[in-house]
Amino acid sequence: AQSVTQLGSHVSVSEGALVLLRCNYSSSVPPYLFWYVQYPNQGLQLLLKYTTGATLVKGINGFEAEFKKSETSFHLTKPSAHMSDAAEYFCAVSEAGRRALTFGSGTRLQVQP
Amino acid sequence: DAGITQSPRYKITETGRQVTLMCHQTWSHSYMFWYRQDLGHGLRLIYYSAAADITDKGEVPDGYVVSRSKTENFPLTLESATRSQTSVYFCASSERWETQYFGPGTRLLVL
Repeated sequence: AQSVTQLGSHVSVSEGALVLLRCNYSSSVPPYLFWYVQYPNQGLQLLLKYTTGATLVKGINGFEAEFKKSETSFHLTKPSAHMSDAAEYFCAVSEAGRRALTFGSGTRLQVQP
Repeated sequence: DAGITQSPRYKITETGRQVTLMCHQTWSHSYMFWYRQDLGHGLRLIYYSAAADITDKGEVPDGYVVSRSKTENFPLTLESATRSQTSVYFCASSERWETQYFGPGTRLLVL
């Protein structure tokens, strides 16, 4: 069975600082990995995804994530936080060939001025 | 407008009542999904559908019923609402399996 662990339910950074949101997964087969963002009172929006190929993937709004198989991780980073990045971020995994996503419990990012 | 919509956006009901949450998408996506979002649990899959008249259970299907007579609609029914079903419900759709598009959500309060 697949599962996702997001370390830290709340992360606070200063504007302009590095953003690092951690995600570890478990999967019995090669995983497909996703990061979604949820702004207040809205649905989820896809930030980026890893399926195959290059392990460093770039997404929208300057975010990127690196798939590290040896560490079973898919951490999300952004070099410089902006106030508009404040939101909740969800990591998700699906096993290759299956459409069902398993989500982590989410990390709320606060950006301090 | 094109996209995925959910109605109602907010609903208050009482224990034991039947409630139906609606989901409509205009992309003609084959796949549709229902999730519930609860604090500390992220999103959990309730039911999904691969096409009209094809549905399957997800992680937490008990107490819910779905149908899909038309490709664009995927209603979720709580047959006899319980307080534990107080949650935010999200519908999603996808054609390419790796990208799901989410609706704005329905906040349901069961008293």
